[in-house]
Amino acid sequence: GENVEQHPSTLSVQEGDSAVIKCTYSDSASNYFPWYKQELGKRPQLIIDIRSNVGEKKDQRIAVTLNKTAKHFSLHITETQPEDSAVYFCAAQAAGNKLTFGGGTRVLVKP
Amino acid sequence: GAGVSQSPSNKVTEKGKDVELRCDPISGHTALYWYRQSLGQGLEFLIYFQGNSAPDKSGLPSDRFSAERTGGSVSTLTIQRTQQEDSAVYLCAIMDRGYGYTFGSGTRLTVV
Repeated sequence: GENVEQHPSTLSVQEGDSAVIKCTYSDSASNYFPWYKQELGKRPQLIIDIRSNVGEKKDQRIAVTLNKTAKHFSLHITETQPEDSAVYFCAAQAAGNKLTFGGGTRVLVKP
Repeated sequence: GAGVSQSPSNKVTEKGKDVELRCDPISGHTALYWYRQSLGQGLEFLIYFQGNSAPDKSGLPSDRFSAERTGGSVSTLTIQRTQQEDSAVYLCAIMDRGYGYTFGSGTRLTVV
């Protein structure tokens, strides 16, 4: 089955700096890669996703990149703000299958 | 969130008792998933229902865990003879627009 590895497990950045989270996956059949943000005590919320037919997608201060050959994808947050503090999960999905999640990255943005 | 309701939101039970957790999605979503999230941990897949197909039970941690989905809508996750290691947040999710999940708010289970 699919295996998703996520790094780092914790990330502390100064407000205004960038944050980068990296994930690798094992199943070459995976073709959909969402990212979820989970604030303390709340449910995971989809923040951005990318499909295997594109290499990069951007939405305001967040962007995702995908390297299918290397089987890795990354989340980039620019101009970080305190409200970006949360746990972020990457995931991978093959068509018609379940999402397999990475272990999560706890991001702390220091004012 | 919008589209998935879970109950109860919190459940405290004594070790050895059985519990039932409920997930009630809005109609029209054929794919339904259960995940478990232990304190400070990631999302562990439990079981997946897709239409009339046999469910994917590959994530259930033991035979004390079972789930059903009646009429293609409401799903219940049952844990028999609960143990302290079962304490976690149990999340239900539906497949939204063919990609990605919408999660329910979860049931926080505490086994004492």
